[in-house]
Amino acid sequence: RKEVEQDPGPFNVPEGATVAFNCTYSNSASQSFFWYRQDCRKEPKLLMSVYSSGNEDGRFTAQLNRASQYISLLIRDSKLSDSATYLCVADSSNTGKLIFGQGTTLQVKP
Amino acid sequence: DAGVTQSPTHLIKTRGQQVTLRCSPKSGHDTVSWYQQALGQGPQFIFQYYEEEERQRGNFPDRFSGHQFPNYSSELNVNALLLGDSALYLCASSLEISSGANVLTFGAGSRLTVL
Repeated sequence: RKEVEQDPGPFNVPEGATVAFNCTYSNSASQSFFWYRQDCRKEPKLLMSVYSSGNEDGRFTAQLNRASQYISLLIRDSKLSDSATYLCVADSSNTGKLIFGQGTTLQVKP
Repeated sequence: DAGVTQSPTHLIKTRGQQVTLRCSPKSGHDTVSWYQQALGQGPQFIFQYYEEEERQRGNFPDRFSGHQFPNYSSELNVNALLLGDSALYLCASSLEISSGANVLTFGAGSRLTVL
């Protein structure tokens, strides 16, 4: 079993749609969680950190459920520019050794 | 302010050869981590360097080795290349981890093709 698991998709949605990505992690000792965005053939870039209390950044909302070992990302009012791969990430020891999921591909269509 | 720079951007090698990839961290960063990203997969942690020493290592064979220099730059060496080593190799830098400031900045990567 992979330490961080995501549905690879692809998710094909129309502009303006709301889309949710889910992710599970197996290491209960994991302390920090993130969502990274990766455009085709580019490097991953931090989208947002994920906290138990939930956090929002504009159209993006991330949530962490430690009891279920589950992380989510909600994107509202999807834009064409949101098309990318979204990587769910856990830092099991808070030391910068990041464990990445496979990534979920989002394609927003006009 | 330059971000993380990696070289070369692309290279082609044949099985059995050796390769060296280079990374300069973001200004002010002192910790360098290396990741391997195969096509269609998420990045996998290779190892991390701090104060010129390997501090953590992922599940990679000894063919993968590295080095960090006094100026914080780093090299990744892979010996006896296999076809399966074909991947995007990403370097990421950060501030010293124990401070909790563990947000990584990634370079654009070195794309290695092994024939």
